[in-house]
Amino acid sequence: NAGVTQTPKFRVLKTGQSMTLLCAQDMNHEYMYWYRQDPGMGLRLIHYSVGEGTTAKGEVPDGYNVSRLKKQNFLLGLESAAPSQTSVYFCASRGGASPLHFGNGTRLTVT
Amino acid sequence: AQSVAQPEDQVNVAEGNPLTVKCTYSVSGNPYLFWYVQYPNRGLQFLLKYITGDNLVKGSYGFEAEFNKSQTSFHLKKPSALVSDSALYFCAVSSYNTDKLIFGTGTRLQVFP
Repeated sequence: NAGVTQTPKFRVLKTGQSMTLLCAQDMNHEYMYWYRQDPGMGLRLIHYSVGEGTTAKGEVPDGYNVSRLKKQNFLLGLESAAPSQTSVYFCASRGGASPLHFGNGTRLTVT
Repeated sequence: AQSVAQPEDQVNVAEGNPLTVKCTYSVSGNPYLFWYVQYPNRGLQFLLKYITGDNLVKGSYGFEAEFNKSQTSFHLKKPSALVSDSALYFCAVSSYNTDKLIFGTGTRLQVFP
């Protein structure tokens, strides 16, 4: 039972480069979320999805795009990385009223 | 708009003593309240939730939380702390009319032997 799997675990980018973070869940959950965690800031919601083919903006969406083409996958894209996007990114999913299930995170450094 | 405040960056407690980690919230409508714990280099793990019903909610690892509507608080408690409880704790809030779960800034709990 894998739960929520995030790839990659670590990544270093140069300013201006692009990348995609992949989140996969095997629990048939409808809802999926991307958060970023920064010291002293807690977790901030970037984007989320309430079902396949849908996406919505969270608290800090600028500089990120997302797609949910398949129910089990939620992709987070950075088109032109900036040092301010250095963070730990967490994906989470839930079904109905259940609590969020989190992945183990992706540590991204932008130099 | 939803918001959560965790007023203490760190809480220190001796092993065996009771602990409290504070959380206050703001949300339109009835709140759904959650506590999560994060161990180093891991994602967050669910501890307990309040949706409706009894104001005292019991969760994993002996933790409990008390919902106080008049004070808009949802403090996390444990009668007797363990060194292994040392971790980062997050309070979060949602409500029936939103799909978003908003987190506080976290409180680091340090339990000393």
